[in-house]
Amino acid sequence: EAQVTQNPRYLITVTGKKLTVTCSQNMNHEYMSWYRQDPGLGLRQIYYSMNVEVTDKGDVPEGYKVSRKEKRNFPLILESPSPNQTSLYFCASSLRFRIDSQQEHSNQPQHFGDGTRLSIL
Amino acid sequence: GDSVTQMEGPVTLSEEAFLTINCTYTATGYPSLFWYVQYPGEGLQLLLKATKADDKGSNKGFEATYRKETTSFHLEKGSVQVSDSAVYFCALSDSNAGNMLTFGGGTRLMVKP
Repeated sequence: EAQVTQNPRYLITVTGKKLTVTCSQNMNHEYMSWYRQDPGLGLRQIYYSMNVEVTDKGDVPEGYKVSRKEKRNFPLILESPSPNQTSLYFCASSLRFRIDSQQEHSNQPQHFGDGTRLSIL
Repeated sequence: GDSVTQMEGPVTLSEEAFLTINCTYTATGYPSLFWYVQYPGEGLQLLLKATKADDKGSNKGFEATYRKETTSFHLEKGSVQVSDSAVYFCALSDSNAGNMLTFGGGTRLMVKP
């Protein structure tokens, strides 16, 4: 079954204690990304990766790190978590976008994991 | 930069009522437009998409038409069911920005029997 798997699903921890949220996809997708979802703000992109060893900042990268050593995995690292990072996090993956012409393009839909709820006390 | 604006919720409807959730966007390139749905406790699922002007995306009775002249992508359904209760997100992916998604704030739909 094609899926994006995040772990853990829930975590309560304390300020300053390093944590990693793992994300794995089995669809051989090049593109992976992390979002956080906060009430009233929708989803905001934290980091994304176009392929192995290629990562870039999204809209809200501060306080986060990522790595992409393998195609299937894209862990999100919080080196020193703070309470303002309490949120619901989603990992997503997709095939790379392609542009057929100026007028037609094929931005591939992203597949999302089930989310990780982090509470930083 | 790119942005997506959708109507705030919650939207409360009775079963079999007509649904419209408004979505408008601004983008610099040639965006693809998406509606995602999030059921309670789950991740986002792609509901429908449209990749160019005048395209109509449809799925599970939901429809949305890509209107370039009004920069809109309103979600509609003729007859909602209790099982449609969820949060709906409008999103765009701009060809100038790779495959990055820009989301609206989400609209919670509650359908009562």
